[in-house]
Amino acid sequence: DIQMTQSPSSLSASVGDRVTITCQASQDISNYLNWYQQKPGKAPKLLIYDASNLETGVPSRFSGSGSGTDFTFTISSLQPEDIATYYCQQYDTEPTFGQGTKVEIK
Amino acid sequence: QVQLQESGPGLVKPSETLSLTCTVSGGSISSYYWSWIRQPPGKGLEWIGYIYYSGSTNYNPSLKSRVTISVDTSKNQFSLKLSSVTAADTAVYYCARGNRDWGQGTLVTVSS
Repeated sequence: DIQMTQSPSSLSASVGDRVTITCQASQDISNYLNWYQQKPGKAPKLLIYDASNLETGVPSRFSGSGSGTDFTFTISSLQPEDIATYYCQQYDTEPTFGQGTKVEIK
Repeated sequence: QVQLQESGPGLVKPSETLSLTCTVSGGSISSYYWSWIRQPPGKGLEWIGYIYYSGSTNYNPSLKSRVTISVDTSKNQFSLKLSSVTAADTAVYYCARGNRDWGQGTLVTVSS
């Protein structure tokens, strides 16, 4: 199965900061990658699909890039409501998730 | 907008079979693919498997020997059965349509 290595596992940033999370696949997955946001006690919410496509209704401060094995998720200007854990997920083969990145406000 | 709701026992004994149902409203189950995902308390997400409306399935290789996912188009429901459970199967179980629409999740605890 394809392993997804996500980093960092947690980060603390100030409101307005640019935040970047990376995800590396153990083999080429083309652009078959999603990014999710999960708030405590809630189901994950799809933010980015096919590595770089913004889901309908998701603020434009969220973006994704990459292909092959290396992917990046960015929040261009961190907002208080962005406090959550973020996960990458590949779906080139049987889906697997990254370990998650917990984003906190400094 | 489609809505999904998980239902089933919140407590299962070790070695028994966990059974959950996902009821789909606001849309037909006769399209898309339908997934089960779980999350142990305080941990990350694990994909369990999915079923197409046609009935074809794909399972997580690490769970494949214990998992069965089925669909009942007449009831607009799909179901999960996980056999021979242990404490390691304690988790919040989510059902989902594709990647976009998720149920709220239901906690299943494995304990005697």
